[in-house]
Amino acid sequence: EAGVAQSPRYKIIEKRQSVAFWCNPISGHATLYWYQQILGQGPKLLIQFQNNGVVDDSQLPKDRFSAERLKGVDSTLKIQPAKLEDSAVYLCASNPGTSGDQETQYFGPGTRLLVL
Amino acid sequence: AQSVTQLGSHVSVSEGALVLLRCNYSSSVPPYLFWYVQYPNQGLQLLLKYTTGATLVKGINGFEAEFKKSETSFHLTKPSAHMSDAAEYFCAVQGGKLIFGQGTELSVKP
Repeated sequence: EAGVAQSPRYKIIEKRQSVAFWCNPISGHATLYWYQQILGQGPKLLIQFQNNGVVDDSQLPKDRFSAERLKGVDSTLKIQPAKLEDSAVYLCASNPGTSGDQETQYFGPGTRLLVL
Repeated sequence: AQSVTQLGSHVSVSEGALVLLRCNYSSSVPPYLFWYVQYPNQGLQLLLKYTTGATLVKGINGFEAEFKKSETSFHLTKPSAHMSDAAEYFCAVQGGKLIFGQGTELSVKP
């Protein structure tokens, strides 16, 4: 079974530029999460989708961050415009949802973003 | 609200020695508790989890953890460290969303 895929793996941009990250969850997983992991800290949830609907986006800085999950499969996370403090690893995770193990989240390798 | 505190941002042990990584949690509801491991430039991998039932939980790679409600702890142990155990370890609590501790980096000396 293929794991969670993310791209790109690394991205370097200038502040005020825009950037987008892509995530393909494990096949059949209804729930998808985006986390931000700042160096030296644990991951922090940004947004949670159940199929193509948003369950929790309370920690998403909506003035600059946006995310979508069209068709309930792949998802993109966008930052526009980027700030220096957005430098972090962005992790995508998925979970079967109500059809399976609802507790365990399966993580992708992450996208490492550096904002200069 | 849930929170997690991991005691010690860095732990160093000798190969073959006991590994003990400490985690205390706060939760207003019966918690689900997790330990994840993160190797360099990789995502997080589940080591073990406690949901209900037996309080001593065994995970992958010889790790285990014990849920102690009276101490609000979920410490991770391994009897004998191996060089391949060197990584970042995260304790997490779930009572809705998954809340992670700040992580403990484990170094293993030969």
